[in-house]
Amino acid sequence: AQSVAQPEDQVNVAEGNPLTVKCTYSVSGNPYLFWYVQYPNRGLQFLLKYITGDNLVKGSYGFEAEFNKSQTSFHLKKPSALVSDSALYFCAVRDGGAGNNRKLIWGLGTSLAVNP
Amino acid sequence: AAGVIQSPRHLIKEKRETATLKCYPIPRHDTVYWYQQGPGQDPQFLISFYEKMQSDKGSIPDRFSAQQFSDYHSELNMSSLELGDSALYFCASSLGSGRVGEQYFGPGTRLTVT
Repeated sequence: AQSVAQPEDQVNVAEGNPLTVKCTYSVSGNPYLFWYVQYPNRGLQFLLKYITGDNLVKGSYGFEAEFNKSQTSFHLKKPSALVSDSALYFCAVRDGGAGNNRKLIWGLGTSLAVNP
Repeated sequence: AAGVIQSPRHLIKEKRETATLKCYPIPRHDTVYWYQQGPGQDPQFLISFYEKMQSDKGSIPDRFSAQQFSDYHSELNMSSLELGDSALYFCASSLGSGRVGEQYFGPGTRLTVT
C-alpha cells in the first residue's frame, strides 16, 4: 500500500539557518513526489515535484528537495529560512503507474516555525 | 493567471440540511479533486473526476455525491449534514492526458454545521 510519512509534527529553526522537513514514502512502482505548503486559513500551494531526472528538484520560494531512492526519502530543504516560511508543509506521493488514477497520498503535515 | 475558484467561501448549515459546494477548475484542466480538511489535519481525499467521469473515490460518505459537468466545473452535494462534516473543503484541479500534473488548490469552502 502506498504511504507517506512525515516523522516530525513540528520543526523549529532560526531565521537565516538552513531548514529540512523530512518525508519518506512507500509505493509499489516509481514514485511521483510532491511538496505543498499551506499558510493559515489558505489553500495548499504547490512547491515542487519529482517525476524523473535529477534527484535535486528546485521549486518555489527558494525551496528544493532531494529524491533519494535507496532511502525512499524526499526531504524538503532551504539554505536560509525566512520568518515568512512559517507554515504547514505537506508531502504527497502518487503511484507512477499507468491509468487515470491521480490520487495523491498525503503525509500528516509538518508545522514549520521560523523564529526571528 | 487564473486559479481554481470555489464557492461559497463560507457556509453555515444546520444538522440534517443539505449543502452544495462548487468548484471551477483552472481553464483547460480536465481533472478535479475534492478534499476535506479538519482542523489541524491533513487533507482527506474524497473523490476525483477526469473528463467528467469519476476517476477515483476516497473517503467520501454515502451522504455525499459529486459530479463534473460538461464545462468541467464540479459540484459536491452533501446531504443529511452532521456536526462532524464541519471542515474546510478544498477543490483542486490538474491537467491530465497522461502528464503528471501537480494539483492546484482553490481557497476552500469553510463549512460549519450547527
